[in-house]
Amino acid sequence: GAVVSQHPSRVICKSGTSVKIECRSLDFQATTMFWYRQFPKKSLMLMATSNEGSKATYEQGVEKDKFLINHASLTLSTLTVTSAHPEDSSFYICSARTNEGRFFGPGTRLTVL
Amino acid sequence: QKEVEQDPGPLSVPEGAIVSLNCTYSNSAFQYFMWYRQYSRKGPELLMYTYSSGNKEDGRFTAQVDKSSKYISLFIRDSQPSDSATYLCAMSASKNNAGNMLTFGGGTRLMVKP
Repeated sequence: GAVVSQHPSRVICKSGTSVKIECRSLDFQATTMFWYRQFPKKSLMLMATSNEGSKATYEQGVEKDKFLINHASLTLSTLTVTSAHPEDSSFYICSARTNEGRFFGPGTRLTVL
Repeated sequence: QKEVEQDPGPLSVPEGAIVSLNCTYSNSAFQYFMWYRQYSRKGPELLMYTYSSGNKEDGRFTAQVDKSSKYISLFIRDSQPSDSATYLCAMSASKNNAGNMLTFGGGTRLMVKP
């Protein structure tokens, strides 16, 4: 299957700082990538759909100024959590699709102190 | 009522058992069905991807879709302790592969005991 990578895998930051998470499609091009958030023992919650060369589409209740998404190339999308607060601590997972299905990255665990 | 229902478990079975994991759904427009395995603190891994009704087999895994009953299943034969994980079903109505909108079940936690 297709490979999606994320960096970093884990990040700890102080409250008020910004954190950038990268999502890459390693062996295919992805015009669309998806960003999810997952709380412990819960299913994935779609945050936004990232479109190459255009603005991201955010789900209801997700602040676009809080979670900045940039999809600058066909293999890279970034999620920046701005002015992070402890309630932003979570597991963030990106996803991309091919004709063989939807593939997910390994996730990034964000801890905001 | 949620669009996709999945028993959260945990489901505990002895090594070597046949495991049956199931999801029911209410949206008759769903045409693409996926099963993911997620280990703790890892991203979901695509196990099976099926279109419409029928069976699909891959190694120890068999995915079954019954659209008339709005019911999908994943069977794991000869279960191993390494199969212990959370299994998520997901489905989409889009005709364009997995589409943009993917609806997940809540996940079933499986424990295979040696």
